[in-house]
Order: sequence, then C-alpha cells, then structure tokens
Amino acid sequence: SYVLTQPPSVSVAPGQTARITCGGNNIGTKSVHWYQQRPGQAPVLVVYDDSDRPSGIPERFSGSNSGNTATLTISRVEAGDEADYYCQVWDSSSDYVFGTGTKVTVL
Amino acid sequence: QVQLVQSGAEVKKPGASVKVSCKASGYTFTTYYIHWVRQAPGQGLEWMGIINPSGAGTSYTQMFQGRVTMTRDTSTSTVYMELSSLRSEDTAVYYCARGARIGAPNDNWFDPWGQGTLVTVSS
Repeated sequence: SYVLTQPPSVSVAPGQTARITCGGNNIGTKSVHWYQQRPGQAPVLVVYDDSDRPSGIPERFSGSNSGNTATLTISRVEAGDEADYYCQVWDSSSDYVFGTGTKVTVL
Repeated sequence: QVQLVQSGAEVKKPGASVKVSCKASGYTFTTYYIHWVRQAPGQGLEWMGIINPSGAGTSYTQMFQGRVTMTRDTSTSTVYMELSSLRSEDTAVYYCARGARIGAPNDNWFDPWGQGTLVTVSS
C-alpha cells in the first residue's frame, strides 16, 4: 500500500514561514492535495494539484511537489493558521490515501 | 454555494448498524462523485469508499468490504453510508465529501466536506 509520511508537528512564530512536508515513493509523479482542519471542524481544501489554490484561500498558502517529497508552505503565518494539515493523493493500488497529518502550532 | 449537510450524531451498541445521510445542494447532484472519510478520536483521516450518484456504482476500501454500503436517492440529492456489525473501534466522525466530476481522472481532491457525523459505539 502507498504510504504518505508527514512530521507530527511544526512550530512557527507569527509572521514567519511554515513548511510541511509529505513524503511518498515517487510522489512527484502524483497530484497532491492539501487540507486544513481546525479543531472540531471539517477539513478544508487549501491546495490542489500540487500548487493550485481554491477560491478564497489566501496566497500565503502555496505548494510544490518533486521527487519523493511534496511541501505545503504557509507564508506570514497567522494565529488562525493553527490547525492540523493533511496531504492526500490517489494511487492506483491504494485508492485515496491521506498523510499522517501535521499539527501546526503558532508560538 | 455547494454544500453537503449530514445527519446528526448517533449512539449505537456493538453489533448494531448505523446509517448516515449526506444531502447535497448548490450543484447538479448526479455530476460529481461523493466520498466517505472517517476520523477516529485524535487520529487522522481514513478513506472509506466512493459512490457515483448517477449510476449508483460504488467502490469500498478493503478494510470495510462486507460491512459498508453506500447508496443514493436522486429525488432528494442525498447519499447514505450504512456501516454494520459495529464495534468500539468504529467510534469516529464520519464525513462525506464531494470528489471529481464524473468522468474526470481519479487523482482528484475532496471539496467541499460535510460537517461530519459523530458515531459512538458503546455498550
């Protein structure tokens, strides 16, 4: 089965940049999507197809994908960005797969 | 706007079944797949399966094969997820989410999501 590995936690000061990685075998050949989940709420799509943003998502959220690692970057971090973040891909053998999740803490 | 609204929280005994509904609005119901994803307390997201609201075709992840059934009612734009033989490990929040437009490639995203339905399995 296809596995996506994320760091359990990332801490960042307000105004700084947070980078969340998502590791998977040859993930660069797949389309990666990212979700933000605030406590007690449903996930919200923040990046799709590696680097595209849905309408309403700030430009501070960006994504990249190459080799064995995809990355979600949050620039100029705000207190409201504190949440869990999940990457997701589709794999022909495993269907829809989510990453292990990363908790972003704003210091 | 596109919206998915789910049914309310449920408490079930081990061995029972639960049926969760997900009502879609703001788009043509039969043109997009609907997925079900669950999240156990303090845990990550787990994909359960997919339904095609147009032809009612389904695909379930192996973990839930034989215990999960996804159906739809086109007259009310509602999809249902029924999970049987419940055990304590099935205690989780269950989400529906809109997937790709029917006919589009599989490597698609989930947007939007329903608000979630907490299912508690306890004796």
